[in-house]
Amino acid sequence: EVQLVESGGGLVQPGGSLRLSCAASGFTFSSYSMNWVRQAPGKGLEWVSYISSSSSTIYYADSVKGRFTISRDNAKNSLYLQMNSLRAEDTAVYYCARAPNMAEKCFQYWGQGTLVTVSS
Amino acid sequence: EIVLTQSPDFQSVTPKEKVTITCRASQSIGSSLHWYQQKPDQSPKLLIKYASQSISGVPSRFSGSGSGTDFTLTINSLEAEDAAAYYCHQSSSFPYTFGQGTKLEIK
Repeated sequence: EVQLVESGGGLVQPGGSLRLSCAASGFTFSSYSMNWVRQAPGKGLEWVSYISSSSSTIYYADSVKGRFTISRDNAKNSLYLQMNSLRAEDTAVYYCARAPNMAEKCFQYWGQGTLVTVSS
Repeated sequence: EIVLTQSPDFQSVTPKEKVTITCRASQSIGSSLHWYQQKPDQSPKLLIKYASQSISGVPSRFSGSGSGTDFTLTINSLEAEDAAAYYCHQSSSFPYTFGQGTKLEIK
């Protein structure tokens, strides 16, 4: 069974940093690209970042470019999101998400999410 | 960036009614359009992929259609458990984008 479990969320001051993790199990992690998607309280879904299976290709939303860094450790079956220079508008539940298979680009598997709150 | 615009933003419907939610893309995205359902305090759930392809385990009352710039999610014979927010999502090009969402309320 595919499982994605996020961790690392919490309360951080504006300008601060946080590192999110997503632990993957139940599939060959190194074969799949991964994504981060976030959702501000009471708002819609926003795609944040993509990383290919080998980390050779990475994309970011303009709203986080230059501040967030996506990475992965295939040996540890883990995905990461390093978030720097955090702003109040980064407050959201952050989900990691995976496609149904290696060829498709929709998100069939989601974690439960981890809440990041940026506030003084 | 490809902008996805859903309509309506909110709809109040009665059980057994047929519901149609539309998603319009700001430029052609072929069939790279997916639909999700999200219930309160839950993670999103994939309902339809690539405009019209069904997902195993999703009730057959959910169907999708469209290509290019105009897409539709149809829910036939609505059930009380379908109360949720629905989102479209394009994977034609980066940055991936989502529609603003449609909230469905069951009367």
